Amino acid sequence: EPEVTQTPSHQVTQMGQEVILRCVPISNHLYFYWYRQILGQKVEFLVSFYNNEISEKSEIFDDQFSVERPDGSNFTLKIRSTKLEDSAMYFCASSSSGGAETQYFGPGTRLLVL
Amino acid sequence: ELKVEQNPLFLSMQEGKNYTIYCNYSTTSDRLYWYRQDPGKSLESLFVLLSNGAVKQEGRLMASLDTKARLSTLHITAAVHDLSATYFCAVNLNAGNMLTFGGGTRLMVKP
Repeated sequence: EPEVTQTPSHQVTQMGQEVILRCVPISNHLYFYWYRQILGQKVEFLVSFYNNEISEKSEIFDDQFSVERPDGSNFTLKIRSTKLEDSAMYFCASSSSGGAETQYFGPGTRLLVL
Repeated sequence: ELKVEQNPLFLSMQEGKNYTIYCNYSTTSDRLYWYRQDPGKSLESLFVLLSNGAVKQEGRLMASLDTKARLSTLHITAAVHDLSATYFCAVNLNAGNMLTFGGGTRLMVKP
């Protein structure tokens, strides 16, 4: 069964460093998403991406964040200058279309900023 | 701003018992999703409810949606230990792509 994959599974970084989280969505999906979950808290939407551009973003997704689909398979989230409060589990998701379609989540990248 | 609230936040129950998890949301929507999350794992899609009165069942879990009451329920029948997990509801507004999640219900089923 096709699934969303993410790398790395864990990342530790120093405050102020740049990190890139990588995702490979399900191959025939067209919509891609990033969510995050701070330990013990609810899952929060960051951004959705379609047709090589951002379609929606939340207040969390400020200028420190960017997304890119550098090739036909990868979808990346970059945090330019990490802060302590960026420590969280970051989930990538994809769906075949937007709106009501089910979003399928990857296994997550646990980011720890020291 | 859409708010999604679940209750209870934590539920400990015996195997064989029935219980219901509630998901209330603040703004009209007819797109509601239930996900399951095991500790340290990702979110697994359980149900998609797309209209008022929608009811879906899978095994011991049954989900329903009342859009007029802005309420969805996840009913557990004859719970088994394997159902122990955190259950999240999520709402999608206005055909957008953003899911707004509830705070989750951590379910623990004791043998």
